Amino acid sequence: EAQVTQNPRYLITVTGKKLTVTCSQNMNHEYMSWYRQDPGLGLRQIYYSMNVEVTDKGDVPEGYKVSRKEKRNFPLILESPSPNQTSLYFCASSKMDRGRYGYGYTFGSGTRLTVV
Amino acid sequence: AQTVTQSQPEMSVQEAETVTLSCTYDTSESDYYLFWYKQPPSRQMILVIRQEAYKQQNATENRFSVNFQKAAKSFSLKISDSQLGDAAMYFCAYRRKAGGTSYGKLTFGQGTILTVHP
Repeated sequence: EAQVTQNPRYLITVTGKKLTVTCSQNMNHEYMSWYRQDPGLGLRQIYYSMNVEVTDKGDVPEGYKVSRKEKRNFPLILESPSPNQTSLYFCASSKMDRGRYGYGYTFGSGTRLTVV
Repeated sequence: AQTVTQSQPEMSVQEAETVTLSCTYDTSESDYYLFWYKQPPSRQMILVIRQEAYKQQNATENRFSVNFQKAAKSFSLKISDSQLGDAAMYFCAYRRKAGGTSYGKLTFGQGTILTVHP
């Protein structure tokens, strides 16, 4: 089944304790991205990657890191989480068609992160 | 930068009736894509419908249709014969077609919570 697999689904952690949220897709998509969802703000892009070893900042990158060493994986790293990073996080991927991204994203099932 | 605005935080509809969710966007581009996503309580993001800006014909998917007004930069979603399973948060989203910074990015609105009453 074509999908984006994101883990864990729920995570409670303490301020300053490094964590990684994993994301893997099996559709050979070039484009991958991380979003956070907050009430009243919709989904905002954190980081994105257009291919292996190519990553760039989105709208709210502060406090996050990413890497894209393999095409299928795009982990999100919070090196020193803070309470304002409590949110719902989504990983997503997208294919390219004739050099353009004409399709929507395929999303993972989300990670509910609470930082206390 | 492109922005997407959903001015209705909440909407409600009776089962079997029709409801329209509003979305406006701001862009200087002439060619782009617009989407509606559904997020039920399971929080999974589900693509409902997609519109290409250069196509004048409004997209339709079963009970879901859009009213795309390019000049007005408006992209509303109409749900006909509403069902209990339509209850969800709905997001409008914009994607530029090619090139430039943030290429490939989906820009989302704030979301509209739809309640369906039996």
